[in-house]
Amino acid sequence: IAGITQAPTSQILAAGRRMTLRCTQDMRHNAMYWYRQDLGLGLRLIHYSNTAGTTGKGEVPDGYSVSRANTDDFPLTLASAVPSQTSVYFCASSAQGASTGELFFGEGSRLTVL
Amino acid sequence: GQNIDQPTEMTATEGAIVQINCTYQTSGFNGLFWYQQHAGEAPTFLSYNVLDGLEEKGRFSSFLSRSKGYSYLLLKELQMKDSASYLCAVRDSNYQLIWGAGTKLIIKP
Repeated sequence: IAGITQAPTSQILAAGRRMTLRCTQDMRHNAMYWYRQDLGLGLRLIHYSNTAGTTGKGEVPDGYSVSRANTDDFPLTLASAVPSQTSVYFCASSAQGASTGELFFGEGSRLTVL
Repeated sequence: GQNIDQPTEMTATEGAIVQINCTYQTSGFNGLFWYQQHAGEAPTFLSYNVLDGLEEKGRFSSFLSRSKGYSYLLLKELQMKDSASYLCAVRDSNYQLIWGAGTKLIIKP
């Protein structure tokens, strides 16, 4: 089934540890995004990539890094996790230039930092 | 600053009609989206408005007034499976999406 795959689906992590959330899409979308979703807040953009080889900072980029070596993969790394990074993380992709350019989301990665 | 406002929670009865409002103040406008998100799941795309007026898609309709910075999502013939959060998002002049916090819709029998 075409779509976006995220891994892991859930993780408990000690503060200070390094963590990479993986995201792979098979829709050949040029744009990819990482959001975090916290209770009572809208989705907040962490980082994005409009095309392979380029990345940009979103609304809440501090403490996170991304890379986009190819079209399909867009991993998100927490270099040294802190409790405030406890959240649900969604990866998404879109075909920029399409009529609507709606986002397609992965199933999410629930991260708890202790 | 940029802002999207929508009610936090609404309750409606199975079989009835409900309207979820969204008002926005953004730097530019390049379309408004509605997404549905069931608890513990990913958001899924419902509708897109870029011109003023009503877009109808089955039981769901979405309306836009750009001059008023206002949209609504109309759900007809409510079913229990419509219990979910409904997210309003606006694409700004930089083609970035600004998201509302979502409206949790509770459907009662």
